[in-house]
Amino acid sequence: EVQLVESGGGLVKPGGSLRLSCAASGFTFSSYSMNWVRQAPGKGLEWVSSISSSSSYIYYADSVKGRFTISRDNAKNSLYLQMNSLRAEDTAVYYCARCRKEGGGSCYSDYWGQGTLVTVSS
Amino acid sequence: EIVLTQSPDFQSVTPKEKVTITCRASQSIGSSLHWYQQKPDQSPKLLIKYASQSFSGVPSRFSGSGSGTDFTLTINSLEAEDAATYYCHQSSSLPQTFGQGTRLEIK
Repeated sequence: EVQLVESGGGLVKPGGSLRLSCAASGFTFSSYSMNWVRQAPGKGLEWVSSISSSSSYIYYADSVKGRFTISRDNAKNSLYLQMNSLRAEDTAVYYCARCRKEGGGSCYSDYWGQGTLVTVSS
Repeated sequence: EIVLTQSPDFQSVTPKEKVTITCRASQSIGSSLHWYQQKPDQSPKLLIKYASQSFSGVPSRFSGSGSGTDFTLTINSLEAEDAATYYCHQSSSLPQTFGQGTRLEIK
């Protein structure tokens, strides 16, 4: 059974930092690209970042570029999101999601974690 | 950035009714359009991939269609458990984007 478990969320002051983790199990983690997607309270879904299976390709939303860093450790079956210079508008539930591609097509997120809440407030 | 516009934003429906949710892309995305269901306090769950392919384990009452810029999610014979917010998602080009969501209320 595919499982994704996020951790590391919490309350942080504006300008602070936080590192999110996502522990993967039930599949060959090193074979899949991964996404971070966030959802502000009462709002819709927003893609944050993606990383390819070997970390060769990394992409960010403009809203987090230069402040957030995605990484992974395939030996530990783990995905990370280092968040620096946090702002109130970064307050959201952060989900990690597995990226699946078929037949050369683009990625869809077939499995999601339960999310971890990040609150940026003084 | 490709903008996805869903309609309606909200719909109140009765059980056994047929529901249609549309998603329009600001430019052509082929079939790189996916649909998710999110119930309150839960993470999103994949329903439909590549516009019309059902994801494993999804009830057959859920179906998708469309290509290019216009897409549809159809729920046949709605059940009470289908009360949720539904999102479309494009992965044709970066940044990946989502529609604003359509909330379904069951009367």
